[in-house]
Amino acid sequence: AQSVAQPEDQVNVAEGNPLTVKCTYSVSGNPYLFWYVQYPNRGLQFLLKYITGDNLVKGSYGFEAEFNKSQTSFHLKKPSALVSDSALYFCAVRASLQTGANNLFFGTGTRLTVIP
Amino acid sequence: EAGVAQSPRYKIIEKRQSVAFWCNPISGHATLYWYQQILGQGPKLLIQFQNNGVVDDSQLPKDRFSAERLKGVDSTLKIQPAKLEDSAVYLCASSSGSQETQYFGPGTRLLVL
Repeated sequence: AQSVAQPEDQVNVAEGNPLTVKCTYSVSGNPYLFWYVQYPNRGLQFLLKYITGDNLVKGSYGFEAEFNKSQTSFHLKKPSALVSDSALYFCAVRASLQTGANNLFFGTGTRLTVIP
Repeated sequence: EAGVAQSPRYKIIEKRQSVAFWCNPISGHATLYWYQQILGQGPKLLIQFQNNGVVDDSQLPKDRFSAERLKGVDSTLKIQPAKLEDSAVYLCASSSGSQETQYFGPGTRLLVL
């Protein structure tokens, strides 16, 4: 069975400080991992993904994420937070061995608040 | 490039009524998905289409939910009859292939009273 855990419902960080949003996953075989962001009354926007290769993945708006296979984690990071980064962040996983169906399993989301 | 379009954006109905949602995917995207996002939860896949064929509908409550993508482009999701627990945001997504990144529309927020 595939699953994603986002252990923090809420993360607060001061503007200009580094931010981390945590994600751990469980999947059979090698994972495909994704981060999406959701602003109020908007759909999910794709930020970045890990498929294979370099464990450090760079994405949109200065975000990056590090894949750690031994810890089954894929934490989202940004060196310097902006107030405009305040939103709801979702981590998602699918199994690379999954053929045909492209079923993403999402975490419950982490609300990031950047304090001016 | 235009994104995934959905309508209506909001809908309020009474229980036991029927409702339909519409989705237009990104041009050229063969794969289309419908997700249900209940408040406080992550999205859950309801159904995945590849062109006009169903790839996965294992999570679709088929006694009341139905979806179609007759010409392999637009799709409609219907609920009949609606229950209180169907109150959620219904998200449509599309991807260029069944293994590719999914891009989401703005969603339809449904409230069942």
